[in-house]
Amino acid sequence: EAGVTQFPSHSVIEKGQTVTLRCDPISGHDNLYWYRRVMGKEIKFLLHFVKESKQDESGMPNNRFLAERTGGTYSTLKVQPAELEDSGVYFCASSQGMGAEPLHFGNGTRLTVT
Amino acid sequence: QKEVEQDPGPLSVPEGAIVSLNCTYSNSAFQYFMWYRQYSRKGPELLMYTYSSGNKEDGRFTAQVDKSSKYISLFIRDSQPSDSATYLCAMSAGSGGYNKLIFGAGTRLAVHP
Repeated sequence: EAGVTQFPSHSVIEKGQTVTLRCDPISGHDNLYWYRRVMGKEIKFLLHFVKESKQDESGMPNNRFLAERTGGTYSTLKVQPAELEDSGVYFCASSQGMGAEPLHFGNGTRLTVT
Repeated sequence: QKEVEQDPGPLSVPEGAIVSLNCTYSNSAFQYFMWYRQYSRKGPELLMYTYSSGNKEDGRFTAQVDKSSKYISLFIRDSQPSDSATYLCAMSAGSGGYNKLIFGAGTRLAVHP
């Protein structure tokens, strides 16, 4: 069984540019999550999809971040325009059921904004 | 004050040692407790998970939860160089199950031959 897959593994962009991160969850997992770790900080929750619906987006830092999950399959996280403080590692995770199973994480996308 | 406190280490032990990793937390609503292992440039890999208090054992790993003290532990027996990684504790409140995790900072462990 393939795990959670994230693309790209690393992205370097300039301040003000746009970047789109992609996540493919484990097949059959209705729950999809985005987390991120910025320099020197803990991994923090961004948002949670159940199928194509946003269940909880309380962790999204501001309106420069837009997450979508078309058709309840893969998800994208767009940052527009990127700022220096957006640099960090963005993790995607997925799980089955409604909170009854723990999360399985992808290897993350390392975003560097210069 | 952080909701979850975890000593970042680094922790260096010889091969074969028993390793004890710990986290404390302040939110009494936490019911679900997890330990993840993260190798360099990889994502967190689920090691152990428990609901509420008690112990859980899986091979060389034992997870303990003491809700009265708001303290969780992960023990690694017969540690191996391949156990060298960052260990993250994570927890969540009851109503959301495992959904919205609060992570500790992670403890870097180095097991030397």
